[in-house]
Amino acid sequence: GAVVSQHPSRVICKSGTSVKIECRSLDFQATTMFWYRQFPKQSLMLMATSNEGSKATYEQGVEKDKFLINHASLTLSTLTVTSAHPEDSSFYICSARNYASTGTNYGYTFGSGTRLTVV
Amino acid sequence: QKEVEQNSGPLSVPEGAIASLNCTYSDRGSQSFFWYRQYSGKSPELIMFIYSNGDKEDGRFTAQLNKASQYVSLLIRDSQPSDSATYLCAVNPGGGADGLTFGKGTHLIIQP
Repeated sequence: GAVVSQHPSRVICKSGTSVKIECRSLDFQATTMFWYRQFPKQSLMLMATSNEGSKATYEQGVEKDKFLINHASLTLSTLTVTSAHPEDSSFYICSARNYASTGTNYGYTFGSGTRLTVV
Repeated sequence: QKEVEQNSGPLSVPEGAIASLNCTYSDRGSQSFFWYRQYSGKSPELIMFIYSNGDKEDGRFTAQLNKASQYVSLLIRDSQPSDSATYLCAVNPGGGADGLTFGKGTHLIIQP
């Protein structure tokens, strides 16, 4: 089945630094990937939709200059949290949609998530 | 604002009984509906999806969709302690928007 690999699984960084999170589709090409954020005891909130070869579409209230998204290839999207602060500490999860194979799970495959802690 | 509502629980069900999880959504144009299970600190894993009115069964799980009432439910038969988790309802709004809108989840506890 479709597999999405997300790295790192955990990262601790100092306030003011930047952190990059990678999301790779391993066995399919993903023209569209999605980035979600989940705070403790809250649900997943869609941050942005990442489109290969074009600019990402950000949800209302998400700062595009703070959360930089790059989707340079059909198998890789990256999320960079710039100038991270403690309030950015959260669980970040990517998802990729496999449009060529929508039978099993309607094409949405989730990565394993990245726990970001900013100190 | 498109919303997906779930009772946060906890919902406590004896082992072997039927667990019933409910979800309502605000966007009448929503196209497809998903149930995910999430363990603490882990990523969501898909249980079922449904896009037509009626019931859809897969093993011990049955998803029910009523678009007129904007209501989705998940039934878990013969509940097991391993079913204890948070269950997230998610909606694809359609209309070109492809990301999922999630509810806050229902915390289900299966009591041995």
